[in-house]
Amino acid sequence: DVQMTQSPSSLSASVGDRVTITCRASQDIGSHLVWIQQKPGKAPKSLMFAAYRLIYGVPSRFSGTGSGTEFTLTISSLQPEDFATYYCQQYESDPLTFGGGTTVEIK
Amino acid sequence: QVQLQESGPGLVKSSETLSLTCSVSGGSISSTSSHWAWIRQPPGKGLEWIGNIYYSGAASYSASLKSRVIMSVDTSKNQFSLNLSSVTAADTAVYFCARRTGDWVAVGGYYLDSWGQGALVTVSS
Repeated sequence: DVQMTQSPSSLSASVGDRVTITCRASQDIGSHLVWIQQKPGKAPKSLMFAAYRLIYGVPSRFSGTGSGTEFTLTISSLQPEDFATYYCQQYESDPLTFGGGTTVEIK
Repeated sequence: QVQLQESGPGLVKSSETLSLTCSVSGGSISSTSSHWAWIRQPPGKGLEWIGNIYYSGAASYSASLKSRVIMSVDTSKNQFSLNLSSVTAADTAVYFCARRTGDWVAVGGYYLDSWGQGALVTVSS
């Protein structure tokens, strides 16, 4: 199984800050990566696929880069509604596997 | 825009079978470009893929749960279902159904794009 590792596990930031989250895969997954946002008590929401392609309706302040084993999610200017937990997830092969999550908290 | 909604008992006794159904609206479960997945999240923990099923009935399961999981699809009702047998307290979680849609524009494969609201299932002793 492909192991997904995220860092940091949590971070504190202010509205307007630029935030970057890193995800590493235990083996080459090409660009088969999804970034997922989850707010407390809510369903997950997929933000982008293929490592960098935004899903319809997701604001352009979210961006993704990377391929192979290293990926990043960047929020260019953090908004109040962005405080949440973010997961990376690979779909290069089954079983689908998820990172442990990064919680973005208000500073 | 496809919508998914889980339904089923919120409380299951230990050693019994957990059964959930996911109703799909705004899209056909018989779409050849979609697979239908179950994912769970124990309280305060991360996400775990349980498996997914195609409209034909072909399914793929997590190795750790494979001996206890059966998924099925009912195309006439536009629904798919999860049965997890011999449950224990470790199976207490929020269970999400989701769609895996084909990536025809970028790198191929099937990615999770739409999620249900989730159903909390508690296993009691």
